[in-house]
Amino acid sequence: DVKVTQSSRYLVKRTGEKVFLECVQDMDHENMFWYRQDPGLGLRLIYFSYDVKMKEKGDIPEGYSVSREKKERFSLILESASTNQTSMYLCATRGGANEAFFGQGTRLTVV
Amino acid sequence: SQQGEEDPQALSIQEGENATMNCSYKTSINNLQWYRQNSGRGLVHLILIRSNEREKHSGRLRVTLDTSKKSSSLLITASRAADTASYFCATDEGGYQKVTFGTGTKLQVIP
Repeated sequence: DVKVTQSSRYLVKRTGEKVFLECVQDMDHENMFWYRQDPGLGLRLIYFSYDVKMKEKGDIPEGYSVSREKKERFSLILESASTNQTSMYLCATRGGANEAFFGQGTRLTVV
Repeated sequence: SQQGEEDPQALSIQEGENATMNCSYKTSINNLQWYRQNSGRGLVHLILIRSNEREKHSGRLRVTLDTSKKSSSLLITASRAADTASYFCATDEGGYQKVTFGTGTKLQVIP
């Protein structure tokens, strides 16, 4: 059974903190994605990775960075969390030109 | 910027009726996908249609694709209360299988 696991379901952090969101997949997929979802805006792509140590900016990369040291793990880093980064964060993986599989999401609140 | 735009933004129907959602996109695509999201959860893949296909069926779902108009529609027949969810179209562009999503249609099926 396909599995994409995000490290936390809910997270509360303070402004200025460095925040790590982790995503692990067990499908050996080359492509991994981080999206944020806000009401009325749908899913917006932050970063994606097509191979170990490879990354590409999505539509809204500002304030974020990513790390992919191993194929199964893709981390999203908020260098200095701000209140406008309060959102639902969704990780996804994709093998080739097929469907994407999503984690359960992390609801991050920055106070 | 987001590739897809769904229409309508919200739809409310009675159980047993058909629901139709539309998606328009901007650039050439490799394929188009539809996903469903139950409230506050990750997305689940419903159906994928490739750019050389015009129509695809899966159970009560029917998807059409018109590449000349850069549009797709998702039809859910004989809707059920359990179909209540948000529905997103997603397009695949570029060599890295980057997937970008629309803003979604929120469907409510009233028992």
